[in-house]
Amino acid sequence: EAQVTQNPRYLITVTGKKLTVTCSQNMNHEYMSWYRQDPGLGLRQIYYSMNVEVTDKGDVPEGYKVSRKEKRNFPLILESPSPNQTSLYFCASSPGTYHGYTFGSGTRLTVV
Amino acid sequence: GNSVTQMEGPVTLSEEAFLTINCTYTATGYPSLFWYVQYPGEGLQLLLKATKADDKGSNKGFEATYRKETTSFHLEKGSVQVSDSAVYFCALIPVVGDYKLSFGAGTTVTVRA
Repeated sequence: EAQVTQNPRYLITVTGKKLTVTCSQNMNHEYMSWYRQDPGLGLRQIYYSMNVEVTDKGDVPEGYKVSRKEKRNFPLILESPSPNQTSLYFCASSPGTYHGYTFGSGTRLTVV
Repeated sequence: GNSVTQMEGPVTLSEEAFLTINCTYTATGYPSLFWYVQYPGEGLQLLLKATKADDKGSNKGFEATYRKETTSFHLEKGSVQVSDSAVYFCALIPVVGDYKLSFGAGTTVTVRA
């Protein structure tokens, strides 16, 4: 089944403790992206990648890192999480601009 | 810049009612346009798309037509069901070769039996 898989689905952590949210797609898509969804703010892009080793900042990149060492994987790294990073995170992938993005099921992160 | 404006919700309807959610956009060139749906507790699913002027996207009884002259992509369904209760997002990717999907704020739709 074609899909984008994120893990974990739920995560509660403490301020300052490094964490990684994994994202993997099995569709051989070129583009991958991370979004966060917050009440009243909608969906905002954090980082995107156009291909292996090619990444760039989205609208709200502060406090996040990404890497794209393999085409299928695009992990989101929070080096020192803070409570304002409590949010619902989505990974997405796309083969190109005419096709839209396929989204993962989301990761609900709580930083206390 | 590129942006999407959706009608504000929430929208509450009775079953079998007609649904319209307005969406207008601002973009240079000819963007690809999308509607996504988010059911409670789930991720976003692509509902339909249109990639050029006058294209009509359709899926699951929903339709939207790409209107370049009015820069609009309104979502419609003729007879809604309780299972259509969800948040609906209008979105665009601005130009060929661009990769950024820009979303509207989302419209919450509740359908009552």
